[in-house]
Amino acid sequence: EPEVTQTPSHQVTQMGQEVILRCVPISNHLYFYWYRQILGQKVEFLVSFYNNEISEKSEIFDDQFSVERPDGSNFTLKIRSTKLEDSAMYFCASSSGTRSYNEQFFGPGTRLTVL
Amino acid sequence: DAKTTQPPSMDCAEGRAANLPCNHSTISGNEYVYWYRQIHSQGPQYIIHGLKNNETNEMASLIITEDRKSSTLILPHATLRDTAVYYCIVRVAYGGGFKTIFGAGTRLFVKA
Repeated sequence: EPEVTQTPSHQVTQMGQEVILRCVPISNHLYFYWYRQILGQKVEFLVSFYNNEISEKSEIFDDQFSVERPDGSNFTLKIRSTKLEDSAMYFCASSSGTRSYNEQFFGPGTRLTVL
Repeated sequence: DAKTTQPPSMDCAEGRAANLPCNHSTISGNEYVYWYRQIHSQGPQYIIHGLKNNETNEMASLIITEDRKSSTLILPHATLRDTAVYYCIVRVAYGGGFKTIFGAGTRLFVKA
């Protein structure tokens, strides 16, 4: 069964450093997303991406964040200068379409720890 | 966006049916009801979705009331591995993609 994969599974970084979280969406999917979940809190939407541009972003997704699809398979989330409060699980998701009945498939997540 | 209301937690005995309720009284006519679950800190996992009719798949059944203001997810024979947070979501869709708005969900404890 096709699945979304994410690397690394755990990333530890120092405050102020840049990190790149990587995702490989399901191959025939066209829509890509990032969500995050701070420990003990809800899963929060960050950004959606389609046709090489951002479709929607939340208030969390400020200028420190960026997304990119550098090739035909990878989808990345970059945090330019990490803060302590960026520590969270980051989930990538993909879907084949935008109709309400198209399900989103989530990856296993990357745990980001900012020290 | 339509919002959902779920009980914060529920218990269920192993082997028994788990019935998880959800209220979505402001749902609009073309919005679907989706259920996801999250086991520990893993990525959310799709379970089932529906519009008007009751739905069943290998994981669960979804019962939607006739007025569509509430629904119930049924796990027919709960196992210990079904212990998770279950999210009832009404899908928000728009032009270039859609975002899934997760609430706090229902934490289901399946006990031996």
